[in-house]
Amino acid sequence: EPEVTQTPSHQVTQMGQEVILRCVPISNHLYFYWYRQILGQKVEFLVSFYNNEISEKSEIFDDQFSVERPDGSNFTLKIRSTKLEDSAMYFCASRDSLGSPLHFGNGTRLTVT
Amino acid sequence: GEDVEQSLFLSVREGDSSVINCTYTDSSSTYLYWYKQEPGAGLQLLTYIFSNMDMKQDQRLTVLLNKKDKHLSLRIADTQTGDSAIYFCAEGWNQAGTALIFGKGTTLSVSS
Repeated sequence: EPEVTQTPSHQVTQMGQEVILRCVPISNHLYFYWYRQILGQKVEFLVSFYNNEISEKSEIFDDQFSVERPDGSNFTLKIRSTKLEDSAMYFCASRDSLGSPLHFGNGTRLTVT
Repeated sequence: GEDVEQSLFLSVREGDSSVINCTYTDSSSTYLYWYKQEPGAGLQLLTYIFSNMDMKQDQRLTVLLNKKDKHLSLRIADTQTGDSAIYFCAEGWNQAGTALIFGKGTTLSVSS
């Protein structure tokens, strides 16, 4: 069964550094999402992406965050200058239509020191 | 704003049925989902129900939806130790945006 893949599984970075989290959505999917989960807390929506542009973003998704679909397969989340509070598990998700469920990747655990 | 509430913990014995409950606030939700998260893993879609349905059964899983009370439940029959995980309820809409609002998750602990 096709799946969403995320790399790396764990990323450690120093405060102030830039990080790029990578995702390969399921190949025929058109809608892409990033969510994050701070340890022990809710899974929170960050951003949705469709037709090469952001559809919606949450308050968390400030100017430090950006997303890109640089080619036909990858979907990336960039954090420009990481803060300690960015430490979380970041999940990528995709779906093929508005009526279908989201399929999530296994997540990237980001640790900012 | 929209919110999804779940009880945080549930402990059952192997072979018993588990019932995980969820309440949501947005009556315009189109879909309601149950996801499972095992330790260190991602979110695995278990099942989902359209808002015009009352019940959906899928092998050991039964989802009940009470739209009037905005209450969703997941029943796992013959619970196994492998069912131990965090179960997230989520609501969604047929739109390109946020798609899903998650609850905090219910940790299910199954003892043998």
